[in-house]
Amino acid sequence: GEDVEQSLFLSVREGDSSVINCTYTDSSSTYLYWYKQEPGAGLQLLTYIFSNMDMKQDQRLTVLLNKKDKHLSLRIADTQTGDSAIYFCAESSGGSYIPTFGRGTSLIVHP
Amino acid sequence: SAVISQKPSRDICQRGTSLTIQCQVDSQVTMMFWYRQQPGQSLTLIATANQGSEATYESGFVIDKFPISRPNLTFSTLTVSNMSPEDSSIYLCSVRTGMNTEAFFGQGTRLTVV
Repeated sequence: GEDVEQSLFLSVREGDSSVINCTYTDSSSTYLYWYKQEPGAGLQLLTYIFSNMDMKQDQRLTVLLNKKDKHLSLRIADTQTGDSAIYFCAESSGGSYIPTFGRGTSLIVHP
Repeated sequence: SAVISQKPSRDICQRGTSLTIQCQVDSQVTMMFWYRQQPGQSLTLIATANQGSEATYESGFVIDKFPISRPNLTFSTLTVSNMSPEDSSIYLCSVRTGMNTEAFFGQGTRLTVV
């Protein structure tokens, strides 16, 4: 299997919460990231979490990390149409400069 | 943070030709990388651009096909040589300002080979 896995699509209604899930295989991962890619644009770092944390909140974004299960999630509260994009999960290990990316989850927000 | 300007943003090229993509950063950065993002796929690292020396290529990528230059700490180019339709993809420049720092990305170059 792939090193970082995430579902490919998620559809939500505007105003609802979105939860995007990710699993990874490297137990030595030290940093886990969420990137957002809007159509025609590069990747924008949304947030990241150190492996010694289990939760990080930043305004509408909540990241949860279950290190035992190697599971990472991104929750977007009050999802808006402007949140429609592809969300990439990525991880990097200590000493590595290079994150490993998942295939991205396309979030579709409909009225 | 780092602001990355990548050119061109898109291009349509004939098979057999080559395209050079430029990546300019607004500040000196330690590390520069080139990624490929094929439709519906994850980002795949092509190589690490090393200042003043040959790039470090990942498995499956070779210098003859993807020559890379990095003459200084703010600029790099990636050339896609002898293109075929299979090279149609988005190519992304990425930088990091230091170890254990976030990776910044350019807006990407959308390449279509016909």
